Amino acid sequence: DAGVIQSPRHEVTEMGQEVTLRCKPISGHNSLFWYRQTMMRGLELLIYFNNNVPIDDSGMPEDRFSAKMPNASFSTLKIQPSEPRDSAVYFCASGLGYEQYFGPGTRLTVT
Amino acid sequence: GENVEQHPSTLSVQEGDSAVIKCTYSDSASNYFPWYKQELGKGPQLIIDIRSNVGEKKDQRIAVTLNKTAKHFSLHITETQPEDSAVYFCAASKSNTGKLIFGQGTTLQVKP
Repeated sequence: DAGVIQSPRHEVTEMGQEVTLRCKPISGHNSLFWYRQTMMRGLELLIYFNNNVPIDDSGMPEDRFSAKMPNASFSTLKIQPSEPRDSAVYFCASGLGYEQYFGPGTRLTVT
Repeated sequence: GENVEQHPSTLSVQEGDSAVIKCTYSDSASNYFPWYKQELGKGPQLIIDIRSNVGEKKDQRIAVTLNKTAKHFSLHITETQPEDSAVYFCAASKSNTGKLIFGQGTTLQVKP
């Protein structure tokens, strides 16, 4: 089992650019979660999907953030336009029942 | 809304000693309590979890206890080793479709 796969692992971009983060969940899992981690705010849930349907996006900070899950094996988190305060580590987690398994994360730096 | 408080924020122990991290939660409907270990540069790793129908669970050197009346749960690590050094997060959930509420994290340092 390859675990949760995220790409890219590191992203450096300039303010105003569009950023797309990608996630491949564990095969057979039916839930997918996007988190953001910063020193100041810790781990924050941004949005989660159940059976590819967005269930709760109350954690999405602004309209600049959007997430999609077109099928059971792929999800994207897009930030457009990006701002320096979006710099953080973004994690995708895959879930089945109660358990969630995290990917390695994408470290985003917006200059 | 649901809130999870975690203490201490940092913990330093000597190799071989025990370490205890405590969490309290606010929503009495919470029924699932996982613990995650995060090493530098990696994602959180699920190390143990407990559901509300049991009071204690053990897995080798780690154990978790749950007191539903007091709404608190704890992680116990015995015979600590340097490789136990990491940030540990507790979390709580009240449904099996997700939405974990995380504590603030505890940085554990095990000195050789």
